[in-house]
Amino acid sequence: RKEVEQDPGPFNVPEGATVAFNCTYSNSASQSFFWYRQDCRKEPKLLMSVYSSGNEDGRFTAQLNRASQYISLLIRDSKLSDSATYLCVVKGGSGGYQKVTFGTGTKLQVIP
Amino acid sequence: DTAVSQTPKYLVTQMGNDKSIKCEQNLGHDTMYWYKQDSKKFLKIMFSYNNKELIINETVPNRFSPKSPDKAHLNLHINSLELGDSAVYFCASSQDGNRAYNEQFFGPGTRLTVL
Repeated sequence: RKEVEQDPGPFNVPEGATVAFNCTYSNSASQSFFWYRQDCRKEPKLLMSVYSSGNEDGRFTAQLNRASQYISLLIRDSKLSDSATYLCVVKGGSGGYQKVTFGTGTKLQVIP
Repeated sequence: DTAVSQTPKYLVTQMGNDKSIKCEQNLGHDTMYWYKQDSKKFLKIMFSYNNKELIINETVPNRFSPKSPDKAHLNLHINSLELGDSAVYFCASSQDGNRAYNEQFFGPGTRLTVL
């Protein structure tokens, strides 16, 4: 089983739609969780951190379920500019240093 | 005033050559990383340095040798380049890699093509 798994997509959705991505992780000792966004031929950039209580930033909502070891990202009222690859990132583990593991990414295409 | 910069942006070279990629961050961060993103877009960590000390070395062939002359710089030297080394290499930094919720800032990437 991969350490961090995502559905690669692509998810093709119309403007204004709501879309949700899930990500599962295998290491129960993982401590922190993030969603990064990567535009085509660009570097990844932090979209939002994911906290145990869940958190929201405008149209974006992130949830963490430690018992089932998955995180989710919900995008409401999709915009054309949301088209990108969304990377799930898991950090932590046992031992002295926090390892960072990226998922393979989920591609989103918002269609006019 | 780019936060994390890498040079060169593009690198095309022949198999067997030796090449270096440079990375610099002006954020005052303690931790720097090298990632490889292959043709399937999978981003995999290669190395991590904290205050010039190697922290993570993820089963990378020893043809790859990172060097951190100071905590603002992390360079990557690759010996005897192979076709499979073709990828985009990203440098990144974070304030303190040991802290849980620490954002990583990525450089623009170096697109390496080995012919």
